[in-house]
Amino acid sequence: DAGVIQSPRHEVTEMGQEVTLRCKPISGHNSLFWYRQTMMRGLELLIYFNNNVPIDDSGMPEDRFSAKMPNASFSTLKIQPSEPRDSAVYFCASSLIGGPLLFGSGTRLTVV
Amino acid sequence: DAKTTQPTSMDCAEGRAANLPCNHSTISGNEYVYWYRQIHSQGPQYIIHGLKNNETNEMASLIITEDRKSSTLILPHATLRDTAVYYCIEYGGSQGNLIFGKGTKLSVKP
Repeated sequence: DAGVIQSPRHEVTEMGQEVTLRCKPISGHNSLFWYRQTMMRGLELLIYFNNNVPIDDSGMPEDRFSAKMPNASFSTLKIQPSEPRDSAVYFCASSLIGGPLLFGSGTRLTVV
Repeated sequence: DAKTTQPTSMDCAEGRAANLPCNHSTISGNEYVYWYRQIHSQGPQYIIHGLKNNETNEMASLIITEDRKSSTLILPHATLRDTAVYYCIEYGGSQGNLIFGKGTKLSVKP
């Protein structure tokens, strides 16, 4: 199995630029999660989808962040405009509803 | 916030069993105990989960006390590659949100 695939692995961008992170969940999984990890705050959930529908986006820090899941095999997390405090590792995970989450390798975002 | 309590760090000698404890005294009846680990700069890796019975798979064993207020993850023969942060999490599944605490940093030493 290919596992959860995230791209890019690393992203360096300038403050104010738009950033798009991408995720391909495991085939057949019907839940998708976006997490962010920083040294200060640890791993925190940003948003999750069941059957492509956003269920809980209370973890999205502010309106600059948006996430979409147009179909069962693709999701994006967009930050516009980006700020230095958005620098973190962003993880995507997928699961069958109620089952264990399986994580991707993450995207390390640096905003300068 | 995470509802489980774990020691901040532990050491284990290579080849010995690593026993990682977790307290989850407020766990509700429909919540499972999940264990994940995160090796430096990688994504969290699922290890094992259980409800009330002990569980074993190719990676580890999970021992849950009868009152379900605590559990122990056992790595039977720790290797240097098992050095990681180990997270114990209460998870209801249908609620959708794995809440990660600070975990236990396990250092396996030669």
